[in-house]
Amino acid sequence: DGGITQSPKYLFRKEGQNVTLSCEQNLNHDAMYWYRQDPGQGLRLIYYSQIVNDFQKGDIAEGYSVSREKKESFPLTVTSAQKNPTAFYLCASTRDGIYGYTFGSGTRLTVV
Amino acid sequence: RKEVEQDPGPFNVPEGATVAFNCTYSNSASQSFFWYRQDCRKEPKLLMSVYSSGNEDGRFTAQLNRASQYISLLIRDSKLSDSATYLCVVKGGGNFNKFYFGSGTKLNVKP
Repeated sequence: DGGITQSPKYLFRKEGQNVTLSCEQNLNHDAMYWYRQDPGQGLRLIYYSQIVNDFQKGDIAEGYSVSREKKESFPLTVTSAQKNPTAFYLCASTRDGIYGYTFGSGTRLTVV
Repeated sequence: RKEVEQDPGPFNVPEGATVAFNCTYSNSASQSFFWYRQDCRKEPKLLMSVYSSGNEDGRFTAQLNRASQYISLLIRDSKLSDSATYLCVVKGGGNFNKFYFGSGTKLNVKP
């Protein structure tokens, strides 16, 4: 079955450490996205990519970086510059926007 | 002003009740509209798209009013399993598929 796979499901980061969240899709979607969700709040866009080797900053890109070397993969790195990284991170993709997003099951990141 | 605004909730209703959620959006060029459901600590899942003519899927009815930039979701005969947060989602105008999310309305259906 087609879908989006995010890993790991839970991730613990020490202060000053960079961590990378994986997002892989086999839906043949061109556009991919990273969102952050804090408790009781809506989704905020971190980065998005329309095609391979191209990506754009979203509303809260500071402290994050991405790459899009393959259509199927859009990893997100949370750098030490991100001062408050504890959150639920969601990866999404869409074919053409008409049918909405498909989401991965998310990665819950906690700073320890 | 936020791109998408929703009733904050929570809505606490008994089983069998009818409940309605509202959502307004700010960009008149918005092209596509959706309702998503998000269970606690899970990813959002598409509940239904919203069409100009209105659409129904079982107990769920979605309506769009472009003139007032307003979207609604009606749930009839509420079930305990309907308890979740409902997100209003709007695709912005323009070529890029950027979606804007409301902060969600929490529904609690009680026995």
